[in-house]
Amino acid sequence: DGGITQSPKYLFRKEGQNVTLSCEQNLNHDAMYWYRQDPGQGLRLIYYSQIVNDFQKGDIAEGYSVSREKKESFPLTVTSAQKNPTAFYLCASSGQGRGRPQHFGDGTRLSIL
Amino acid sequence: GQQLNQSPQSMFIQEGEDVSMNCTSSSIFNTWLWYKQDPGEGPVLLIALYKAGELTSNGRLTAQFGITRKDSFLNISASIPSDVGIYFCAGQAPRGSQGNLIFGKGTKLSVKP
Repeated sequence: DGGITQSPKYLFRKEGQNVTLSCEQNLNHDAMYWYRQDPGQGLRLIYYSQIVNDFQKGDIAEGYSVSREKKESFPLTVTSAQKNPTAFYLCASSGQGRGRPQHFGDGTRLSIL
Repeated sequence: GQQLNQSPQSMFIQEGEDVSMNCTSSSIFNTWLWYKQDPGEGPVLLIALYKAGELTSNGRLTAQFGITRKDSFLNISASIPSDVGIYFCAGQAPRGSQGNLIFGKGTKLSVKP
């Protein structure tokens, strides 16, 4: 079945450690996105990529990094510079062009040890 | 940046009742999307709206793209326990970054059997 797979489902980070969240899609979508979700908040955009080897900062990019070496994959690294990393992280993808809905993975919950 | 006001924040209803929620914006959008999120999972697309005045149904769900292009409504008829979850609206502005969405903060729906 086509879809978006995020892994792991749960992740724990020690202080000073970088961690990487995986996002893979087999929908042949050009665009991919990373969001952060905190309780009672809407989704906030961290980074997005419209095409392979290109990505842009979203509203809250500080302390995060991404890469887009393959169309299917858009991993997110939460660096030690992100002082409040505990959140639910959602990856999404969409076809190119305006009006194309985004489809989401099932998320990764990141917690601090 | 642009914000969406989504209301109500939460609703407690009896099974069988109808539900209405809405999103408003201070600026116009050219796409409105409605998602549902179950606990610990990613949002799932319910309805997409692309034209002012458009009224679209998906089973017991009906959504409308407001004439002014600054609002959208979601109605759920004859609610059932599995309707429980958080409902998000999302809009895409005409001059926003291509494909990027702005999300409301969600309406949490609870249904009493």
